[in-house]
Amino acid sequence: GNSVTQMEGPVTLSEEAFLTINCTYTATGYPSLFWYVQYPGEGLQLLLKATKADDKGSNKGFEATYRKETTSFHLEKGSVQVSDSAVYFCALSGWGFQKLVFGTGTRLLVSP
Amino acid sequence: DGGITQSPKYLFRKEGQNVTLSCEQNLNHDAMYWYRQDPGQGLRLIYYSQIVNDFQKGDIAEGYSVSREKKESFPLTVTSAQKNPTAFYLCASSMDGGFDGYGYTFGSGTRLTVV
Repeated sequence: GNSVTQMEGPVTLSEEAFLTINCTYTATGYPSLFWYVQYPGEGLQLLLKATKADDKGSNKGFEATYRKETTSFHLEKGSVQVSDSAVYFCALSGWGFQKLVFGTGTRLLVSP
Repeated sequence: DGGITQSPKYLFRKEGQNVTLSCEQNLNHDAMYWYRQDPGQGLRLIYYSQIVNDFQKGDIAEGYSVSREKKESFPLTVTSAQKNPTAFYLCASSMDGGFDGYGYTFGSGTRLTVV
């Protein structure tokens, strides 16, 4: 079946450190891939997406590249800020899925 | 601006009472979804609807009910049969049902506490 696997958290970093949150997927066909961010007490916001292989999604300094050969969509940021502390969800969708498939989420904690 | 409105943000109910959570969207989206989130946990799908007057059970539908009489509205009722209803509830909508890369738009959530 279709599934998303994310690295377990929490990921704890100091401000200005480099961030990687791993996401791998299993899906039939050619899914679209998403990263969502959830700040404390709020709903999820779309952070970035990629709809085909080798596409790079980017937003607010975050990037992720759709790698079909490794079935991965890892989230990266060169220099994290305290305000980036949140839970990050990887997700996929595609024709016939009817709904997004979410990973379990990875909590990021950034200290000053 | 278009978006999804969930109300109220905080809701308290006594055990054994039914309670209805509101979700309204003005995005003209066809599909709508309800998720439950427990502390430190991921999202679990309760119900979803791809079109007016039709909806399907998700992974944890027991103890919940929904209706979809209007495109804009997808209320969720938490019934007394739900054994552990205290949680954060998220509503979402989608232009394409998640088929083609548009993703979901989420509301800001309702935190339900049953005492």
